[in-house]
Amino acid sequence: GAVVSQHPSWVICKSGTSVKIECRSLDFQATTMFWYRQFPKQSLMLMATSNEGSKATYEQGVEKDKFLINHASLTLSTLTVTSAHPEDSSFYICSASGGEGGETQYFGPGTRLLVL
Amino acid sequence: EDKVVQSPLSLVVHEGDTVTLNCSYEVTNFRSLLWYKQEKKAPTFLFMLTSSGIEKKSGRLSSILDKKELFSILNITATQTGDSAVYLCASTSGSRLTFGEGTQLTVNP
Repeated sequence: GAVVSQHPSWVICKSGTSVKIECRSLDFQATTMFWYRQFPKQSLMLMATSNEGSKATYEQGVEKDKFLINHASLTLSTLTVTSAHPEDSSFYICSASGGEGGETQYFGPGTRLLVL
Repeated sequence: EDKVVQSPLSLVVHEGDTVTLNCSYEVTNFRSLLWYKQEKKAPTFLFMLTSSGIEKKSGRLSSILDKKELFSILNITATQTGDSAVYLCASTSGSRLTFGEGTQLTVNP
């Protein structure tokens, strides 16, 4: 139980394009989903928290117009990196909590983004 | 601002050794302390600790929390090369997780 998937696992794109990353909870209803970013040899940094049907709460320093988060259903959240630039290249990880796991966050496998 | 500090940042041992990883925290409205193992992908959940002094065990891994001194340890006995990974601890305050920098553990054959 408590499986979270992400798609795609890898994406390479040109500077200026937008990239959408999906996060799905496969066997439970995720009332809350979280998006993290991890740079090499660093820990996970929370970008934003989203609850189904409401606007995401962004951490300080994270541009909400650049990182668009949609949590349209209890099993799906999307992160869109708009007009991506090389400095946005990173490992993006989502997590989800809810169902029997309560507040425990279960992580997706992550998406590696490389912007050329 | 919530803060989680792990030590050591890096550790190299031989198979069969026992290791202890440390995690201290300063968190407003602390709820729980979690340990994760991260290999090349996203973190996998190991333990959640909410009460002081109660050891949680899973095979060769065990962990304990001290809410008075604000720290937790993760022990791994009889280490194997497959234990090589980054071990992350994180504190929860409400639904929010704050991660430490992680300890890079390398187990050599």
